[in-house]
Amino acid sequence: QSVLTQPPSVSGVPGQRVTISCTGSSSNIGTGYDVHWYQQLPGTAPKLLIYGNSNRPSGVPARFSGSKSGTSASLAITGLQAEDEADYYCQSYDSSLSEVFGGGTKLTVL
Amino acid sequence: QITLKESSPTLVKPTQTLTLTCTFSGFSLSTSGVGVGWIRQPPGKALEWLALIYWDDDKRYSPSLKTGLTITKDTSKNQVVLTLTNMDPVDTATYYCAHYGSGNNYFDYWGQGTLVTVSS
Repeated sequence: QSVLTQPPSVSGVPGQRVTISCTGSSSNIGTGYDVHWYQQLPGTAPKLLIYGNSNRPSGVPARFSGSKSGTSASLAITGLQAEDEADYYCQSYDSSLSEVFGGGTKLTVL
Repeated sequence: QITLKESSPTLVKPTQTLTLTCTFSGFSLSTSGVGVGWIRQPPGKALEWLALIYWDDDKRYSPSLKTGLTITKDTSKNQVVLTLTNMDPVDTATYYCAHYGSGNNYFDYWGQGTLVTVSS
């Protein structure tokens, strides 16, 4: 059971907007710790997608955006493309002095 | 350019100790704020953070696995080593090391990962 809760799967058709939620608690996201997102394409290592709740590293398309409110965060993908099909993970820090990851969300592009 | 690469045996027996080595380039683990972490992923499952070591030798461990983990660094060799004792088949996973951004709590560069199978 992951400390951060994500939906196991989401899906969308090309061009659509999809969102992935990440729900934490008062000991992590709710305390004010930042949320970060990673994209893991099949058979590859995770790649940083969003850091500090809403910032994109260089090279990440503007189609990807992040937000945070209260004890939750969201990743939004607009203009969905086939190449976005991957697993997505959120990550934050917990007051137990540990890094925590979400359970991951598999995005399927129909 | 920051790169990291994990190395380890591919197969270990139950109860044995696993030693994972992360060799990196493009940054120094003596630079203030920098860290290197270990994260694992069992086949078909989620990422799980294991341990983190900082430039000043501060060490953090997953509360659920703390007793079996030891992380160390060799700054002169640009290496970080993680040992896991008393390995069990449930520890079968791909193990990743990653650069922990200076002053930030995220992993911005990852190694390719090394798959370790625990089986007799």
